[in-house]
Amino acid sequence: KAGVTQTPRYLIKTRGQQVTLSCSPISGHRSVSWYQQTPGQGLQFLFEYFSETQRNKGNFPGRFSGRQFSNSRSEMNVSTLELGDSALYLCASSLRVGMNTEAFFGQGTRLTVV
Amino acid sequence: AQSVAQPEDQVNVAEGNPLTVKCTYSVSGNPYLFWYVQYPNRGLQFLLKYITGDNLVKGSYGFEAEFNKSQTSFHLKKPSALVSDSALYFCADLTILTGGGNKLTFGTGTQLKVEL
Repeated sequence: KAGVTQTPRYLIKTRGQQVTLSCSPISGHRSVSWYQQTPGQGLQFLFEYFSETQRNKGNFPGRFSGRQFSNSRSEMNVSTLELGDSALYLCASSLRVGMNTEAFFGQGTRLTVV
Repeated sequence: AQSVAQPEDQVNVAEGNPLTVKCTYSVSGNPYLFWYVQYPNRGLQFLLKYITGDNLVKGSYGFEAEFNKSQTSFHLKKPSALVSDSALYFCADLTILTGGGNKLTFGTGTQLKVEL
């Protein structure tokens, strides 16, 4: 069974540009969440999607957005990139929502903004 | 606000010795606690979770964790450490959100180094 797949693995962008990251969840998983990992802030929740609907969003500016498609694949977009957006972006998928489920993470996309 | 704390940035242990990685929690209501491990340049791997029931939870790779309500702790343990256990370990609390979904709130992470 394939795991969570994130593409690309590495990305270098210039300040002011925009970027789109992709996440393919485990087959059958309908919930997809995104997290940002930085040395200074640690792991922070970005947003969560279920059945193509964004149900929750973390404390991030509107430059961070995302969507989920009917096949549960998800993309996140960051516009007007800033140096501080450099981070490892992790996607996680879950079979269902609720407490008795675990999230399975992809290997992440390492974004470097120069 | 829900939170978890990992008081140690780094833990060093000799191979073959028992290891403990500490986690304390501060949540309202029932806590739903998880441990994840991260190897260099990799995502997070699920180790174990506590939802309800037995306070001693057994997980992957020989790890276990003990939920202690009176001490609000959920320490990760392994009887005999391996060099290959060297990695970054995260404790997390699962919050059920009003929108119907959930999110994980992570601790700051503890770097475990197992030496020969």
